[in-house]
Amino acid sequence: GEDVEQSLFLSVREGDSSVINCTYTDSSSTYLYWYKQEPGAGLQLLTYIFSNMDMKQDQRLTVLLNKKDKHLSLRIADTQTGDSAIYFCAESIASGTYKYIFGTGTRLKVLA
Amino acid sequence: NAGVTQTPKFQVLKTGQSMTLQCAQDMNHNSMYWYRQDPGMGLRLIYYSASEGTTDKGEVPNGYNVSRLNKREFSLRLESAAPSQTSVYFCASSQINQPQHFGDGTRLSIL
Repeated sequence: GEDVEQSLFLSVREGDSSVINCTYTDSSSTYLYWYKQEPGAGLQLLTYIFSNMDMKQDQRLTVLLNKKDKHLSLRIADTQTGDSAIYFCAESIASGTYKYIFGTGTRLKVLA
Repeated sequence: NAGVTQTPKFQVLKTGQSMTLQCAQDMNHNSMYWYRQDPGMGLRLIYYSASEGTTDKGEVPNGYNVSRLNKREFSLRLESAAPSQTSVYFCASSQINQPQHFGDGTRLSIL
């Protein structure tokens, strides 16, 4: 079945780079997404990548996709305390109507 | 610049009470979704509406009903609330195979 897995926690020091990893099982994914959730708020779209790309860069964010290993990562350069949040990986799958599968989220804690 | 608007933001119910969670989007999206978020379980899809006039069950539909009132609005109804339905509920909308946009959520407690 379809599944998206992430580690639960990550702790980094302010100014360091953060790398959040995600693995997925369905090879028919079309897009892969990263969302950020701050306390008490909804999910905010950070970035997304088409499944035939292997990298996308957007300011401090770099997304790497290894389609062979079904592995997605989000790198945040120069991590700030404001980056502390839960990060969700998600994929959309063409399956009749499109489906979206979310991971359980990685809680990033940035230490000053 | 509203995006997806959910009401109410917070609600406390007693077991057996009913209520409707409202969701409206102003992005002219065809598809709308209801999720629940519980600790350690990520987002689970309750119901979705691929387009106006259609609704389908998601992963955890039991105890819920939905109505796609028009293209903008998609409501979620709990007919007889149970403590297991204590959760944070998110509405989302999208065009097909495009990123979903989320509301700020409704925090629902059932005593």
